[in-house]
Amino acid sequence: NAGVMQNPRHLVRRRGQEARLRCSPMKGHSHVYWYRQLPEEGLKFMVYLQKENIIDESGMPKERFSAEFPKEGPSILRIQQVVRGDSAAYFCASSPGQHQPQHFGDGTRLSIL
Amino acid sequence: SQQGEEDPQALSIQEGENATMNCSYKTSINNLQWYRQNSGRGLVHLILIRSNEREKHSGRLRVTLDTSKKSSSLLITASRAADTASYFCATVGNTGTASKLTFGTGTRLQVTL
Repeated sequence: NAGVMQNPRHLVRRRGQEARLRCSPMKGHSHVYWYRQLPEEGLKFMVYLQKENIIDESGMPKERFSAEFPKEGPSILRIQQVVRGDSAAYFCASSPGQHQPQHFGDGTRLSIL
Repeated sequence: SQQGEEDPQALSIQEGENATMNCSYKTSINNLQWYRQNSGRGLVHLILIRSNEREKHSGRLRVTLDTSKKSSSLLITASRAADTASYFCATVGNTGTASKLTFGTGTRLQVTL
């Protein structure tokens, strides 16, 4: 039973480029969450999606960030026109339903040159 | 802002000793969860305690919850070198999106031989 798969594990972008982070949830999980972690800090919630729907995006910056979870395929977190401050580890988690433990991927470490 | 604050920020103990970490939070919760994060990896779910529970055990882990003080503690008994990691508490609230986790700042535990 594969866990939550995130790719790439490491991503390097130059300022102004686009970053696309992918997350495949655990089999049978239809709830996906994205979190961001800065060095030496806890994770901060960004967005919560169910298949084809954004349920809560209260943690997403208003500009440049978007997320989707299509009917087929992985969830995608997209960051346009990246800036140095976007450098962080981005974690995806999935769960089978509300109020259930979330299972985390190993994250994508984004570095902006 | 972070919901939870944990103390201590860092803890160093010898193998075989017990480790206690504390977490405080600010708003009413549905449940509180503890996670472990090894360096460079994603979070691993340890235990979930619901707001109507006061204590829960899982192997060498014991979690308490005091909703009147808005605090929780995680006790790891007979610690091992493999327990070296960062430990985070996370809450699920009763309002807004029911599922998103709000993380504390974490306790870095070092267990030495």
